[in-house]
Amino acid sequence: GDSVTQMEGPVTLSEEAFLTINCTYTATGYPSLFWYVQYPGEGLQLLLKATKADDKGSNKGFEATYRKETTSFHLEKGSVQVSDSAVYFCALSEGAAGNKLTFGGGTRVLVKP
Amino acid sequence: KAGVTQTPRYLIKTRGQQVTLSCSPISGHRSVSWYQQTPGQGLQFLFEYFSETQRNKGNFPGRFSGRQFSNSRSEMNVSTLELGDSALYLCASSQGPGANEQFFGPGTRLTVL
Repeated sequence: GDSVTQMEGPVTLSEEAFLTINCTYTATGYPSLFWYVQYPGEGLQLLLKATKADDKGSNKGFEATYRKETTSFHLEKGSVQVSDSAVYFCALSEGAAGNKLTFGGGTRVLVKP
Repeated sequence: KAGVTQTPRYLIKTRGQQVTLSCSPISGHRSVSWYQQTPGQGLQFLFEYFSETQRNKGNFPGRFSGRQFSNSRSEMNVSTLELGDSALYLCASSQGPGANEQFFGPGTRLTVL
């Protein structure tokens, strides 16, 4: 079945540092890929998405490129802020499975001033 | 436009009881999915409803059930609660199956004592 693997945290960074969170997936078809963010005490917010190979999703300074050859969708941000402290989830969905999302385990990111 | 609302936000029950959680999707959205989030198992898909029909179901015991009403509002029910059912239950809405963008509510925090 489908699965998503992402690097375990916590990841601790200083403000303005570069952030990378690795994500790889296993899927039988051609999934859509997502990054969601969860702030303390809140639900999930969609951060960015990519629906086909070589697509780049971007939002709020975050970027991720759908790499079919390496089955990866790594999240990057060039200069993090304290407000980026949150848990980040990589996820996929396959068209045949409707809206079912398969999530990675989440990566907690802590940005220190 | 109002977001996804879930009620109640917090709930405390004892083992053996049953519980019903409610989700109101974004206006115009017809698809509702439910997820369970726990520290040990992460985010797991429970089920998806569209036009009052269950389209997809995750790997949960029959104690977990759901339904969707004609106004797209959804409820999930857990019977004979167990300690392991303590979790954050998240609801997500989208325009329809394969919409590729789902919006999550803040969740219902269920504690089973």
